[in-house]
Amino acid sequence: GQQLNQSPQSMFIQEGEDVSMNCTSSSIFNTWLWYKQEPGEGPVLLIALYKAGELTSNGRLTAQFGITRKDSFLNISASIPSDVGIYFCAGQPLISSGSARQLTFGSGTQLTVLP
Amino acid sequence: DSGVTQTPKHLITATGQRVTLRCSPRSGDLSVYWYQQSLDQGLQFLIHYYNGEERAKGNILERFSAQQFPDLHSELNLSSLELGDSALYFCASSVVVTGSEAFFGQGTRLTVV
Repeated sequence: GQQLNQSPQSMFIQEGEDVSMNCTSSSIFNTWLWYKQEPGEGPVLLIALYKAGELTSNGRLTAQFGITRKDSFLNISASIPSDVGIYFCAGQPLISSGSARQLTFGSGTQLTVLP
Repeated sequence: DSGVTQTPKHLITATGQRVTLRCSPRSGDLSVYWYQQSLDQGLQFLIHYYNGEERAKGNILERFSAQQFPDLHSELNLSSLELGDSALYFCASSVVVTGSEAFFGQGTRLTVV
């Protein structure tokens, strides 16, 4: 099945710092999504990307769909305490049908923001 | 609030038992997906329904089954429960069949004792 490698696994940063995390895939994806999950909650969609090279922002968050269609990154600028959570990338592979076309999730990046 | 409603929020049951988890998708969404999230794992896709029909199966055990009803709500049935089935179970919905921009419910935390 499809596999997404998400890194880093965890990050400890100071409030105000910028953060960068990324996902890579062994195959081509036609959609990349970034979600944030807080304790006891479901993942919340942050940014959706649909075109290679696309760069999209949502407030202090910026994500890009890699040119090769096999990677994506998420940047958070000027981090604040409420940015704490697990960030997941998710992608939809560019193949025809069946379960392999479902969203595949990365293993997540646990972000801790220190005051 | 994503608009996806899952009940119950918490469930504690004994091994060997059977439980049913319920999901109401966002208004207008025809697709419902079920995911399992264990402690040390990411989100594992279980099954996808679109407008009442099963569209795709992922890593779903034979002891598990699901259905989507005419009003588009969905139920995930877990039977002969084992300790290892303890996990968070999420439902997500989307407008289209392909799964992009899926919106998640708050999940059901299942504990098997």
